[in-house]
Amino acid sequence: DAKTTQPNSMESNEEEPVHLPCNHSTISGTDYIHWYRQLPSQGPEYVIHGLTSNVNNRMASLAIAEDRKSSTLILHRATLRDAAVYYCILRERRDDKIIFGKGTRLHILP
Amino acid sequence: KAGVTQTPRYLIKTRGQQVTLSCSPISGHRSVSWYQQTPGQGLQFLFEYFSETQRNKGNFPGRFSGRQFSNSRSEMNVSTLELGDSALYLCASSSEGTGTEKLFFGSGTQLSVL
Repeated sequence: DAKTTQPNSMESNEEEPVHLPCNHSTISGTDYIHWYRQLPSQGPEYVIHGLTSNVNNRMASLAIAEDRKSSTLILHRATLRDAAVYYCILRERRDDKIIFGKGTRLHILP
Repeated sequence: KAGVTQTPRYLIKTRGQQVTLSCSPISGHRSVSWYQQTPGQGLQFLFEYFSETQRNKGNFPGRFSGRQFSNSRSEMNVSTLELGDSALYLCASSSEGTGTEKLFFGSGTQLSVL
């Protein structure tokens, strides 16, 4: 099962961009890179996902390295509501045995 | 569209008892997966059901089981509860259960075993 590695925690100032890194050196060609975040007392919430190309949506951007061994979730302008644990996971195209890492706890400073 | 609904929200049991948790997926979703979340181990995959069949299973003992009904609703059962089973149990649904899709999570059932 493909694994991901993320920093345990990060800190950012409100209204500044945040770059959350994820290493997935054992990624296979059919693995999609997904990001979810979990706010206190809630289930994880989908943020963004991609395969090879960079992706943008209203919440964030996903930058995927050319060799796909790493990716970066970009929050363009952090708010206090973005304080959460962010999980980077790999999901196979056909199969769905999902392995979560420990995630990155993001602290936003006002 | 209603989100993923898990019941009950909180549950307290004693060691040796069994428990059944329920998950109603988003309408039209056929894949339901279950996860255990503890402070020490984080989020761990339990199993996934698709069209009433278990398609994937994590590394949990046989005391953990599940099923899915024809309307895609799913239940998980834990028999002979142990103190270590205290956790937040989350379920997630998606349309086909493939890596191309988003997962939608419920708010979870917080199980405490005394």
